[in-house]
Amino acid sequence: GEDVEQSLFLSVREGDSSVINCTYTDSSSTYLYWYKQEPGAGLQLLTYIFSNMDMKQDQRLTVLLNKKDKHLSLRIADTQTGDSAIYFCAEGDYGGSQGNLIFGKGTKLSVKP
Amino acid sequence: DTGVSQDPRHKITKRGQNVTFRCDPISEHNRLYWYRQTLGQGPEFLTYFQNEAQLEKSRLLSDRFSAERPKGSFSTLEIQRTEQGDSAMYLCASSPRQNGIETQYFGPGTRLLVL
Repeated sequence: GEDVEQSLFLSVREGDSSVINCTYTDSSSTYLYWYKQEPGAGLQLLTYIFSNMDMKQDQRLTVLLNKKDKHLSLRIADTQTGDSAIYFCAEGDYGGSQGNLIFGKGTKLSVKP
Repeated sequence: DTGVSQDPRHKITKRGQNVTFRCDPISEHNRLYWYRQTLGQGPEFLTYFQNEAQLEKSRLLSDRFSAERPKGSFSTLEIQRTEQGDSAMYLCASSPRQNGIETQYFGPGTRLLVL
């Protein structure tokens, strides 16, 4: 079945770059997403990439997609303490009638001053 | 504030009681989704609507769960005869589905605790 996997924890120092990795299994995924969740809050959409792209940059965020290996990464440049949160990778397949996203378990990013 | 809103934000109930949650999507978003999130997990899909039509339901959505979106705007999720295993965060998301691009925007969630 469909599955999305992420490492559970990442710790970096303020000012360093963070790289959060994700692997997925559904080769028909149309879009891949990164969401951020702060404690007790809902999910904030950070960015997304279409499956026919291999890179997308948005300010401090860079998304890399290796479709052959089904590997997605999110790089956060100049990581700040405010970036501390749980980051979720998600895949969506909109070729048919399916509308839901499949999420990983999330990577908890801790940024040390 | 034009984001997705959910009410209530927190609900404590006793096992066996019924509860109802409300979601107000972003105005003019035609798709609305319900997800459930338990501690240490990512959100799991429950059901979604396109306008007022419920198009898909997950196997997680037992007979005790029912969702409606009667006028294609707000939606309600009802859980009947709650069980302790229903304790979770219930998240609502909406999407405009423009130009073939699907971007889901989430509300703050309703945290349910069943005693």
